[in-house]
Amino acid sequence: TQLLEQSPQFLSIQEGENLTVYCNSSSVFSSLQWYRQEPGEGPVLLVTVVTGGEVKKLKRLTFQFGDARKDSSLHITAAQPGDTGLYLCAGNYNQGGKLIFGQGTELSVKP
Amino acid sequence: DAGVIQSPRHEVTEMGQEVTLRCKPISGHNSLFWYRQTMMRGLELLIYFNNNVPIDDSGMPEDRFSAKMPNASFSTLKIQPSEPRDSAVYFCASSYTGGTRVFEQYFGPGTRLTVT
Repeated sequence: TQLLEQSPQFLSIQEGENLTVYCNSSSVFSSLQWYRQEPGEGPVLLVTVVTGGEVKKLKRLTFQFGDARKDSSLHITAAQPGDTGLYLCAGNYNQGGKLIFGQGTELSVKP
Repeated sequence: DAGVIQSPRHEVTEMGQEVTLRCKPISGHNSLFWYRQTMMRGLELLIYFNNNVPIDDSGMPEDRFSAKMPNASFSTLKIQPSEPRDSAVYFCASSYTGGTRVFEQYFGPGTRLTVT
């Protein structure tokens, strides 16, 4: 059974702080995605990483894919209250279109 | 594009009643996924279809749950009879899978089901 371990599970920080969320597995991903979910809505795709070592930036968010394609991280610089939400990583293990989701990181950014 | 459409957005029903959730995927997508999300268990895949054919239903809790996809633009998830432990948010997602190793799923807004 493939598992995606996401940490931390909860994170409460002040506006302006930096943070990093981690996503780890013992299996190799063919691709990995990060989603953000706000209360009452469905997850929204932020980014997809495919190549080992790949780094993608989305404004203040930086996504990194591990060289071995088993782990990924999401770094947010100078967090803002609008970044509050549930962040989910999801990996594809060459099982067609099926994704395995991590448990999520609940981020709260206080003004 | 309208995105993935789900109905109803909220459903409150009594234990033992039949519940039907509906989903319209993004036009052109050939894979459709049904998920259930709860605080305790997070986001769980129930079943997914590729080209209207069920591929993996290993996440369907029990025989009370059934899903159909009669055509490329419509799917239903039915619970009969419903139980209080089925209370959750049910999401439908769609993606295009074919000739790529990138599988990006796009989620609907969800149906919040409460069974009393």
